Amino acid sequence: EAQVTQNPRYLITVTGKKLTVTCSQNMNHEYMSWYRQDPGLGLRQIYYSMNVEVTDKGDVPEGYKVSRKEKRNFPLILESPSPNQTSLYFCASSSPGRSGGSGEQYFGPGTRLTVT
Amino acid sequence: SQQGEEDPQALSIQEGENATMNCSYKTSINNLQWYRQNSGRGLVHLILIRSNEREKHSGRLRVTLDTSKKSSSLLITASRAADTASYFCAMTPPSNYQLIWGAGTKLIIKP
Repeated sequence: EAQVTQNPRYLITVTGKKLTVTCSQNMNHEYMSWYRQDPGLGLRQIYYSMNVEVTDKGDVPEGYKVSRKEKRNFPLILESPSPNQTSLYFCASSSPGRSGGSGEQYFGPGTRLTVT
Repeated sequence: SQQGEEDPQALSIQEGENATMNCSYKTSINNLQWYRQNSGRGLVHLILIRSNEREKHSGRLRVTLDTSKKSSSLLITASRAADTASYFCAMTPPSNYQLIWGAGTKLIIKP
């Protein structure tokens, strides 16, 4: 089954304790992305990756790191989490659209992070 | 980047009625996509319309695109309680794979 998996699904942590949210896709997609979703603010892109070893900042990259060592995995790292990073996080992947641009994005189920 | 705008922000209708949501954007685009999100869950792709297309259908969904007005609409016909969700539009600029998202329309279907 084609899917994007994220772990953990729920996480409560304390300020400053490093954490990693994993993301994996089994569709051989080139493009992967991380978003955060906050009430009233919609989806905001954190980082994205066009392919292995190619990553770039989205709209809200501060306080986050990513890596793309393998095509299927795109972990999100919070080196020193702060309460303002409490949010719902989504990983997504896609292939290029048939006529360019992004094709259909497949989303993971989300990770609800609370930083106290 | 959130340079898409959707209206209305919220829409409440009776089951069986049609629901129309609108999306406007500022940049040129390669394609425009619509997604559905049930509360707190991952987004699900509904339909993609390319910049050279004007209308597309999928089941009870009808999407139109007017690139001259930089706008799109999503019509859900004969709405059902299960259509209750938030709906987002997302646009791809010609130059890259990034999606530009609208803020979403919250649709409530009353039984």
